[in-house]
Amino acid sequence: GAGVSQSPSNKVTEKGKDVELRCDPISGHTALYWYRQSLGQGLEFLIYFQGNSAPDKSGLPSDRFSAERTGGSVSTLTIQRTQQEDSAVYLCASSLTSGTDGELFFGEGSRLTVL
Amino acid sequence: AQSVTQLDSQVPVFEEAPVELRCNYSSSVSVYLFWYVQYPNQGLQLLLKYLSGSTLVESINGFEAEFNKSQTSFHLRKPSVHISDTAEYFCAVTPRGRRALTFGSGTRLQVQP
Repeated sequence: GAGVSQSPSNKVTEKGKDVELRCDPISGHTALYWYRQSLGQGLEFLIYFQGNSAPDKSGLPSDRFSAERTGGSVSTLTIQRTQQEDSAVYLCASSLTSGTDGELFFGEGSRLTVL
Repeated sequence: AQSVTQLDSQVPVFEEAPVELRCNYSSSVSVYLFWYVQYPNQGLQLLLKYLSGSTLVESINGFEAEFNKSQTSFHLRKPSVHISDTAEYFCAVTPRGRRALTFGSGTRLQVQP
C-alpha cells in the first residue's frame, strides 16, 4: 500500500489476555517506530527499529510489552497479560532514514480497549 | 531528557481569525523541532520542521512557526484559519542525533463558521 498500514483498527479484549498489533510500513522505509497515545496524553515512544540493528526498547513500559520486526519490514507489537491501563491507541510510524531529520509517516493506529 | 508542553488542550476560533498554538520545550542539548497534525479519522502527518538555519519555517498551507531559543518555544501561527484546519496539532522535539521524537499532549484546534 501507499501508506503505513496497521491492524486491527480496533481491538477489545479482556484483562489478562494477550494481544498482537501489526504494522506494515511503507515499502523501502528502513526505520519503524511504535508510539502509544492515551486519552488526553501525548504520544509516548515505545520502541524503534532501524534496519538490522538492535532495536531501541527504552520506551517499553514493562516486560509485558515486546515487539519484533521480521525481514526488516512488518512489525508486531505484543502485549501480554493486558491490563486496563494498557487501553490506548497504538501508533506505528516509518521513515526513509534513521536520522531525526527524516519525516515520520504514521498509520491510523490500533485502538486497544481492555475491559 | 526532553519534554514538550502544549499549554492549550483546546483552542476554539472563528473562521478567518488568526490563531497561535503554543509549544514550549526543555532540553539540555540542541534539538530539532516539529509540528505534526492529525485531521479527523486520519493518521498524524508532518506539518513543518525546524532543523537549522532560518528560525522561521513555513508549511504549504499557510502555517508558520518560529524557533525561539532563548524562550525555548516553537509556537505555531496562522494569520487566517479555515474550517479545514480543524484538527489536533502536536509539537515534538528530539535532540540532534537521537531518533525518537518526544511529543506534547496536543492542541485541538476547532474552527467555527
